[in-house]
Amino acid sequence: KAGVTQTPRYLIKTRGQQVTLSCSPISGHRSVSWYQQTPGQGLQFLFEYFSETQRNKGNFPGRFSGRQFSNSRSEMNVSTLELGDSALYLCASSSEAGTRGGELFFGEGSRLTVL
Amino acid sequence: DAKTTQPTSMDCAEGRAANLPCNHSTISGNEYVYWYRQIHSQGPQYIIHGLKNNETNEMASLIITEDRKSSTLILPHATLRDTAVYYCIARSGNTPLVFGKGTRLSVIA
Repeated sequence: KAGVTQTPRYLIKTRGQQVTLSCSPISGHRSVSWYQQTPGQGLQFLFEYFSETQRNKGNFPGRFSGRQFSNSRSEMNVSTLELGDSALYLCASSSEAGTRGGELFFGEGSRLTVL
Repeated sequence: DAKTTQPTSMDCAEGRAANLPCNHSTISGNEYVYWYRQIHSQGPQYIIHGLKNNETNEMASLIITEDRKSSTLILPHATLRDTAVYYCIARSGNTPLVFGKGTRLSVIA
């Protein structure tokens, strides 16, 4: 069974640009969550999607957005990039939305560098 | 969700049991205790979770005190590959997993 796939794995952007990251969940999983990881702030929750609907949202500015498609694949977008957006962006999928028994399966992440 | 407190770092000799403590004194009755770990440069990996009974799987054991105010993750025979940051999280229902700073476990040969 294939794991969570994130693309691209590495990318470099400049300030002011925008970026789109993609996540393909494990087959059959309908929930996708996104996290940002930086050395200073650690792992921070961005948002969660379930069946194309945003179920939970973290405390990030509106420049960070996401969506989920009917096949459960998800994308996140960051507009007007800032130096502080440099981070590892992790996607995780689970079989049910926020279920008490659900475990999250994480991808390897997309490492974004903003110059 | 309840806040959890973990030691910043711990060492363990290879082949010995690693016992990682977690305090969650404000945990509510419907909150589960989850453990994840993150090996350097990889995404976090689920280890185990429990509500009030002790749990065991192929990776670890989870011991939850009777009052549920603390728990211990036990890796029975630590190997060098178990060197990682271990996160203890209290979570209920549809709330997202909120990661703290975790415990950095170093397994020493």
